[in-house]
Amino acid sequence: DIVMTQSPLSLSVTPGEPASISCRSSQSLPHSSGYNYLDWYLQKPGQSPQLLIYLGSNRASGVPDRFSGSGSGTDFTLKISRVEAEDVGVYYCMQPLQTPFTFGPGTRVDIK
Amino acid sequence: DVQLLESGGGLVQPGGSLRLSCAASGFTFSSYVMTWVRQAPGKGLEWVSSISGSGGATYYRDSVKGRFTISRDNSKNTLYLQMNSLRAEDTAVYYCATYCGADNCYSGFDSWGQGTRVTVSS
Repeated sequence: DIVMTQSPLSLSVTPGEPASISCRSSQSLPHSSGYNYLDWYLQKPGQSPQLLIYLGSNRASGVPDRFSGSGSGTDFTLKISRVEAEDVGVYYCMQPLQTPFTFGPGTRVDIK
Repeated sequence: DVQLLESGGGLVQPGGSLRLSCAASGFTFSSYVMTWVRQAPGKGLEWVSSISGSGGATYYRDSVKGRFTISRDNSKNTLYLQMNSLRAEDTAVYYCATYCGADNCYSGFDSWGQGTRVTVSS
């Protein structure tokens, strides 16, 4: 199984400041299509998860452009350029390259 | 708008069975892979099982193989998860989610239901 790790596991951010979350996979995630098979999801308190970024760097529909994804191979990053109060929750990376699809442990983001 | 509505959760004794359902609307159901993801209390997300659009291909995590069966009825736009021989460690909120599995189509698990809670306890 591909093991996903994230750092940090928790983050407290001042509104308007940037934030960055790292995700590392135990195996390289490039697909034959050329894309890196790595997604980012946000689970806000009391809600279902929602898709933020797919295939490493593509923002999902409706996701603000302050969110960006980057990386390749085994190392990926989610960046929030200016954190807003509505961004609190737990952020998960996930690899959909091969079953069992695996999620990182999650990074809890709260506001200072 | 895409809607996924899970049902069928509840309290069941160890060794018991439950069948979860996920009613879908707002998209061409038979064209999309359907997936179950679960979340144990206070824990992270865990992929459980996926099924192709036609239902001809199914995938399971090792811990549920032989106990859970994923299926779909494309005429009813409904996904199912038959859970047998339930264990305490299966206690979780179960979410259904969907993604495009066709070549060069993948765009993430872009729709999720609200979840249904399964509690396995005596």
